[in-house]
Amino acid sequence: GAVVSQHPSWVICKSGTSVKIECRSLDFQATTMFWYRQFPKQSLMLMATSNEGSKATYEQGVEKDKFLINHASLTLSTLTVTSAHPEDSSFYICSAPTSGRFGEQFFGPGTRLTVL
Amino acid sequence: AQSVTQPDIHITVSEGASLELRCNYSYGATPYLFWYVQSPGQGLQLLLKYFSGDTLVQGIKGFEAEFKRSQSSFNLRKPSVHWSDAAEYFCAVGAVNDYKLSFGAGTTVTVRA
Repeated sequence: GAVVSQHPSWVICKSGTSVKIECRSLDFQATTMFWYRQFPKQSLMLMATSNEGSKATYEQGVEKDKFLINHASLTLSTLTVTSAHPEDSSFYICSAPTSGRFGEQFFGPGTRLTVL
Repeated sequence: AQSVTQPDIHITVSEGASLELRCNYSYGATPYLFWYVQSPGQGLQLLLKYFSGDTLVQGIKGFEAEFKRSQSSFNLRKPSVHWSDAAEYFCAVGAVNDYKLSFGAGTTVTVRA
């Protein structure tokens, strides 16, 4: 199947700094990518839909100024957590659907963010 | 709005025994249903999906699931589990022409020797 990668796989940062997480579709093009957040022992919560060449669409309750999303190419979406605080510590996962109406979604391995 | 409920937070099963994971969904129209497995350090992997047609769906790794509209359920089963099946399992529901997925809380499966 298709492969989605994320970088870094884990990151530790100080409170107040910004962190960028990359999501790449390695062998297919993705005009749309999704960003999820997962708390320990909990489900994946959709944060936003990343659209290539246009603004991201955020889910209700997600601060778009804190979680900046850029989808600059058909294979790369980035999530920047700005002015990170300890409550932003979480597991962030991206996914990308292959083309077609019933396109299967492929998930990245996730990025563990710890804010000190 | 669509939602998914996985009633069982944690299930322990002996190797070689059968496994059934429950999933109930809420959706106003015909749902697209999925089961994913998440292993540590790996991305979610699709086990199987249901869009239409035969309500008994076969997936990878020997898993199957049955869609029951009358019960709003999409339970996952495996006749004989292997130690490698220990993982987190997520049921998800999607809508027509929308790639967005709503996930259940997940069920952790522990396999004992």
